Amino acid sequence: GEDVEQSLFLSVREGDSSVINCTYTDSSSTYLYWYKQEPGAGLQLLTYIFSNMDMKQDQRLTVLLNKKDKHLSLRIADTQTGDSAIYFCAAERMNYGGSQGNLIFGKGTKLSVKP
Amino acid sequence: DTGVSQDPRHKITKRGQNVTFRCDPISEHNRLYWYRQTLGQGPEFLTYFQNEAQLEKSRLLSDRFSAERPKGSFSTLEIQRTEQGDSAMYLCASSRNTEAFFGQGTRLTVV
Repeated sequence: GEDVEQSLFLSVREGDSSVINCTYTDSSSTYLYWYKQEPGAGLQLLTYIFSNMDMKQDQRLTVLLNKKDKHLSLRIADTQTGDSAIYFCAAERMNYGGSQGNLIFGKGTKLSVKP
Repeated sequence: DTGVSQDPRHKITKRGQNVTFRCDPISEHNRLYWYRQTLGQGPEFLTYFQNEAQLEKSRLLSDRFSAERPKGSFSTLEIQRTEQGDSAMYLCASSRNTEAFFGQGTRLTVV
């Protein structure tokens, strides 16, 4: 079945760049997403990328997509302590009717930012 | 109306009781989703509505679970005869097209 995998932990120093990686199995996913979750809270949509794009930049966030390898990454420039959270990669699940918009999530990468 | 609203935020119930959660989506969002998230996992899809029609249900949604969206606006998720394994965060999301926005979730603890 469809699957999304991420490494579970990443630790960086404040001011460094963070790179969170994700692989997915469903090559027909039209959109791929990054969400952020802080403790006890819901999910905050950070950014998404359309499958025919290689890169998308939004302020400190850069998303890279390698569709051939089904690999997605999120780079956070100048990482701050406020960026400490769990980051989820999600792929749009396709079925016989096309996209219904429901998402398959990875287990999340816990980003720790040390001062 | 600035986001998806879920009520209650926390619910503690005894095993065997019924519980109902409510989700108010962002206005004019025709799609509404329910997900369940357990500790250390990503959210797992439960069910999806387009307007008032429930179009898809996950096999995770056992017979004890039922969801409604009677007028295509707010939605309710009911769990009957709760079990300890139902303890989780229940998340609601809504979308109009590409971007799905999540609420803060309802944390259910079954004791």
